[in-house]
Amino acid sequence: ETGVTQSPTHLIKTRGQQVTLRCSSQSGHNTVSWYQQALGQGPQFIFQYYREEENGRGNFPPRFSGLQFPNYSSELNVNALELDDSALYLCASKGSLGNEQFFGPGTRLTVL
Amino acid sequence: SQQGEEDPQALSIQEGENATMNCSYKTSINNLQWYRQNSGRGLVHLILIRSNEREKHSGRLRVTLDTSKKSSSLLITASRAADTASYFCAFNNAGNMLTFGGGTRLMVKP
Repeated sequence: ETGVTQSPTHLIKTRGQQVTLRCSSQSGHNTVSWYQQALGQGPQFIFQYYREEENGRGNFPPRFSGLQFPNYSSELNVNALELDDSALYLCASKGSLGNEQFFGPGTRLTVL
Repeated sequence: SQQGEEDPQALSIQEGENATMNCSYKTSINNLQWYRQNSGRGLVHLILIRSNEREKHSGRLRVTLDTSKKSSSLLITASRAADTASYFCAFNNAGNMLTFGGGTRLMVKP
């Protein structure tokens, strides 16, 4: 157990809908990153938040957005869902010391 | 697109044998990390090697890094059925963003 939780575990949406995924980081971890992992591939970096501000972004369109809250929780929002958004979404938290990121179990999103 | 590549993509061995996975990357890095993932679940951090290190051990794991060749390898010795999983290399080249390879799917047969 990494101490990072994500909800929901699974989610099914239809094309065009909006979705919010949630992550609860380890206490004291002020950096959270979100990754998208398509089936059979490695995770791809979406963005990172540090102290509630976006601190880096991968090659994802603006319809992917996020929030980080003072209580070490965070959200990933995806608007106008497309079929290719079907994937496992992982959040990872990191403290101020060290380089290790602690991953949650992921949310599997299916877009029909 | 992946900036890291791993080979082989899949590896099947018998329990007790050693498993070697390789990772190559294209940019300069601060460190390289190896993660394990069971059946599409979350990733578990295995080991980190810094760019100024050449080899690192942790239990049955041995990682090497060759920055001149931009490559790393993960060796699992005396493999067990419980080692069956996907293994990913990931590297930091800017800030805290991790860039992952495509992974090696390891199957260890009892």
